[in-house]
Formats: sequence, C-alpha cells, structure tokens
Amino acid sequence: SQKIEQNSEALNIQEGKTATLTCNYTNYSPAYLQWYRQDPGRGPVFLLLIRENEKEKRKERLKVTFDTTLKQSLFHITASQPADSATYLCAHSSGTYKYIFGTGTRLKVLA
Amino acid sequence: GAGVSQSPSNKVTEKGKDVELRCDPISGHTALYWYRQRLGQGLEFLIYFQGNSAPDKSGLPSDRFSAERTGESVSTLTIQRTQQEDSAVYLCASSFGTSGDIQYFGAGTRLSVL
Repeated sequence: SQKIEQNSEALNIQEGKTATLTCNYTNYSPAYLQWYRQDPGRGPVFLLLIRENEKEKRKERLKVTFDTTLKQSLFHITASQPADSATYLCAHSSGTYKYIFGTGTRLKVLA
Repeated sequence: GAGVSQSPSNKVTEKGKDVELRCDPISGHTALYWYRQRLGQGLEFLIYFQGNSAPDKSGLPSDRFSAERTGESVSTLTIQRTQQEDSAVYLCASSFGTSGDIQYFGAGTRLSVL
C-alpha cells in the first residue's frame, strides 16, 4: 500500500540556521506533493506544492525539492525564526483529489 | 465567508450518544473533505464530496459514521453511538476540486467521548 513517512521526532534548531525536513514515500509515484504547516489547535495551512516533473520550488524563505529516484521530498526553511516553530506535514496525491498525509514533523526554532 | 468554518469547536459527549459536526466551506469551492486527526498523528481521510458527484466514502471507519452535503454548501459529519476511540480532532477542508488542489482547512472540532 502507499506509504508516506516523516520523521516523527521533533527537530530543534538554532535561530538563523536552515531547517530541513524529510518526507519519504514508498510503493508509488506521487504526481503532486504538498507541504502544510500546522500550529497547535489549528487546521493545516498550505505552503508549497511540487509536481513530479519539477525538481525544486521556492517561496520566500521556503524551498521544496522532489527526488523521484530517492522517493523523497525535502523541505527547507532558511534563516529560521522562532515564529517558524510548528508541525510541518507533507501530503501526496497520485493525481486525483485524494491526498495522503504524513504524521508531520514538529520543528522548534530556538532563540 | 473568509475561510472554512467548523462548529462546534469543542464537543464533549458520553459514550453511546450521537454527535453532529458542521462544516461551512469557502464559497465557490466545489470540493469538500473530512479528515480525522488523532493526537500526535497525521490526517486520516474520511470522505470527499465534489459537486453533485457521488461522494467517496472509502475512508469512513465504520457504518456509525456518515456525512452529507447539500449542493456545494454546508456539510455535516454524524457519528452515531460514539465510542471512546472516536475521540479526535475532525478537520474539514474545501478546495476548487482540481488536481493538485490547495486544500483550505477549518480549525477543526475537538471531540472527546467520555
């Protein structure tokens, strides 16, 4: 069955450093991969989408890469700030409306 | 409205009671999703509505769960004879219904079954 995995352990980094989060998938090739941010008590908020034929996408301090050989997407936050502390979810779709979400990685940026 | 609205924000109920959760999607969004999120877990797909098409109910965990949507507006998720394992946050999202769509989420309903 299709699986998507994120590191369940929290990631602590120092303010100003680059945070890198990983999303691995098995048993399929997603057509789309999305990243969302979720704060406690809130619903997820969309950040970036990358398509299977794209290697990289950027938006301000955010960058997403998609490596179909490694079956992996990396999500980077450069010049991280304490306000970036949240849980980050990746979600994949094979091209239909149905997305499968990972369990999320909690990021804490230390001042 | 400006965003997806869910009500109630919190619901505490006794085991065996029925509960109804409501979702108001963004106006103009034809697609609507319900997800369940258990503590510390990812989002578990429950059901998908798209326009007037038959809903995809493949994620509903049991026949105690049902959902309805009137046209492209409000949706209700009903859980009958609630069990303690139903305790979770129930999230609703809406989108324009195209491939690779961005989903816009509500804040969720936190359901606690005692």
